[in-house]
Amino acid sequence: EAGVAQSPRYKIIEKRQSVAFWCNPISGHATLYWYQQILGQGPKLLIQFQNNGVVDDSQLPKDRFSAERLKGVDSTLKIQPAKLEDSAVYLCASGGYEQYFGPGTRLTVT
Amino acid sequence: QKEVEQNSGPLSVPEGAIASLNCTYSDRGSQSFFWYRQYSGKSPELIMSIYSNGDKEDGRFTAQLNKASQYVSLLIRDSQPSDSATYLCAVSRAGSYQLTFGKGTKLSVIP
Repeated sequence: EAGVAQSPRYKIIEKRQSVAFWCNPISGHATLYWYQQILGQGPKLLIQFQNNGVVDDSQLPKDRFSAERLKGVDSTLKIQPAKLEDSAVYLCASGGYEQYFGPGTRLTVT
Repeated sequence: QKEVEQNSGPLSVPEGAIASLNCTYSDRGSQSFFWYRQYSGKSPELIMSIYSNGDKEDGRFTAQLNKASQYVSLLIRDSQPSDSATYLCAVSRAGSYQLTFGKGTKLSVIP
C-alpha cells in the first residue's frame, strides 16, 4: 500500500513570497490533515479535511494560509505572503484515529 | 489549552536496557493515545496506539495507560542503537481524530 505522498520535499523562499505544498493521501482515506512542525516541537494541526470539507481550521493563520482539497483526494496548502516564522516542516497525514504521515516539506523562509 | 507534556531529554540508556518514556496530558476527555517515533530529518512514524487502561505489548514495545492519573508511557525492552530517535506522545478526544502532540523525548541508546 502506497503511503502519503508530498511535494516538494524542500523549498527555500524569501519572505513575502508565496509557496504551495501538495499532498496525496493513502488511497481510500477520507480524512486528511496538514500539520506544521517547528524545530524542537511536536506537530501542530493546521487544518483537517473530511473528504473535501473542512472539519477544523481553527489553528490555520487564515490571513496568509489557505488550503483546499478538491474532489476529496489531493490537497494543497498555500502560504502567501510567507514570513520568517513560517520556516518549518509541513506534514500531511491521512487516516482516522491512527494517522500516517507523509515525508513532509521542509520550508525555509529567508 | 489542552496540553501534552513530555520530558524533552535527552534520555540516554545503554544498549540492551529498558528505556522508559513518559507522557502526561491535561484533557480528561482524552480517549485515544499514540506513540510516534521520529528519526532526525524524517516524519513521525506510528509505533503504538492504546485506547484502554492497562498495558499493550507489541514486540519490544509496551504502552501503558492510566487514565485516572492522566499518564501514558512507552517501554522499550532490549533497546538498540536503532531505537535512537525522538518519541512523540499524541492524544485525541473521544469522537475526534484530531491529535495533540507533546514536544517529544529524545532517546539515545549507547552501544
